[in-house]
Amino acid sequence: GESVGLHLPTLSVQEGDNSIINCAYSNSASDYFIWYKQESGKGPQFIIDIRSNMDKRQGQRVTVLLNKTVKHLSLQIAATQPGDSAVYFCAEIPGSNYKLTFGKGTLLTVNP
Amino acid sequence: GAVVSQHPSWVICKSGTSVKIECRSLDFQATTMFWYRQFPKQSLMLMATSNEGSKATYEQGVEKDKFLINHASLTLSTLTVTSAHPEDSSFYICSGFPPGGRGDTQYFGPGTRLTVL
Repeated sequence: GESVGLHLPTLSVQEGDNSIINCAYSNSASDYFIWYKQESGKGPQFIIDIRSNMDKRQGQRVTVLLNKTVKHLSLQIAATQPGDSAVYFCAEIPGSNYKLTFGKGTLLTVNP
Repeated sequence: GAVVSQHPSWVICKSGTSVKIECRSLDFQATTMFWYRQFPKQSLMLMATSNEGSKATYEQGVEKDKFLINHASLTLSTLTVTSAHPEDSSFYICSGFPPGGRGDTQYFGPGTRLTVL
């Protein structure tokens, strides 16, 4: 079936650098996308979302970019901090179905 | 944001026994709750959708007789793993979905780590 996937399973950055986490999705019916952060042993934490009628959305230190032409999402974290170390998942909601389909996840490690 | 709790946070049981996991929405009414399972180093996989006052809807491949879901009130859903086996060992996560909400208003619990010996 259709699924959301990630290009990079792991990402290691230096503290203070910017991080970019990528996600490819295949369901063209998806119109809503969310990035979650999951720390070890905890549930997912909402970071930022974007609807399909937008191509960019900014939050505090984070930016999500959506390219519908190539079905690609990215999460940019500015000035990455050690506390940003976690697994990051993209998730999609296709159409009116409120069920979330999660991508595979990227482990972000921030080195001091 | 809204808070969802799970109990217990971790449980160890013997093979063949049943385990009940509770999911509570503490400050909002959750007409819909979702149950996910997450194996180590893997993503969250939706198991079932739990609707208050009605039967749960299970995803393809999830055995409804093995994973019993009850959503008897607007603040509580339970997942019972019946006759648990070692392959059921996993991290179980629930989320609460208040009425009228979508996506960004799906609040996740902290998860329950189940280990079956």
